[in-house]
Amino acid sequence: SQKIEQNSEALNIQEGKTATLTCNYTNYSPAYLQWYRQDPGRGPVFLLLIRENEKEKRKERLKVTFDTTLKQSLFHITASQPADSATYLCASGDTGRRALTFGSGTRLQVQP
Amino acid sequence: EAQVTQNPRYLITVTGKKLTVTCSQNMNHEYMSWYRQDPGLGLRQIYYSMNVEVTDKGDVPEGYKVSRKEKRNFPLILESPSPNQTSLYFCASSLSVGQGASYEQYFGPGTRLTVT
Repeated sequence: SQKIEQNSEALNIQEGKTATLTCNYTNYSPAYLQWYRQDPGRGPVFLLLIRENEKEKRKERLKVTFDTTLKQSLFHITASQPADSATYLCASGDTGRRALTFGSGTRLQVQP
Repeated sequence: EAQVTQNPRYLITVTGKKLTVTCSQNMNHEYMSWYRQDPGLGLRQIYYSMNVEVTDKGDVPEGYKVSRKEKRNFPLILESPSPNQTSLYFCASSLSVGQGASYEQYFGPGTRLTVT
């Protein structure tokens, strides 16, 4: 069955460093991957989408990559700030069925 | 303000008592979806709708019903709630479908449901 996995352990980094979060998928080939940010008690907020034919996407301090050979997406936050502390969710989808599959999320804690 | 609203935000009910969680969006989005979020399991899709009168099952549809009679509304119905449906529920909407679509989903604030 389709599976999308994120590191369930929290990631702790120092302010100013680059945070790198990983998303791995197995048993399928998604047409696109999305990354969302979720704060406690709130709904997820969309950050970036990358399609299967794209290697890299950037938005301000955010960068996401999509490696179809490794079946992996990496999400980077450069010059991280304490305000970046949140849970980050990876989601995969296809253009046909439109059902989204989410990973369980990785909690990022940026220490001042 | 563009938003997805859900009601109620919090609900405590008893096993077997039918309930409806409403979801409404004011962005004229075609696509709407319901998710439940449980610790360690992440967000799981319950049902989704590509447009009015078009709905389809997600990964965990058992025990739930939906309807899409109007573009802006997508209620989630629990005909006979059970304790294993205790969860945090999110409604989401998206503008476009098909090739070239943005697929960006806008989420509501969530409904915390407890079934005793």
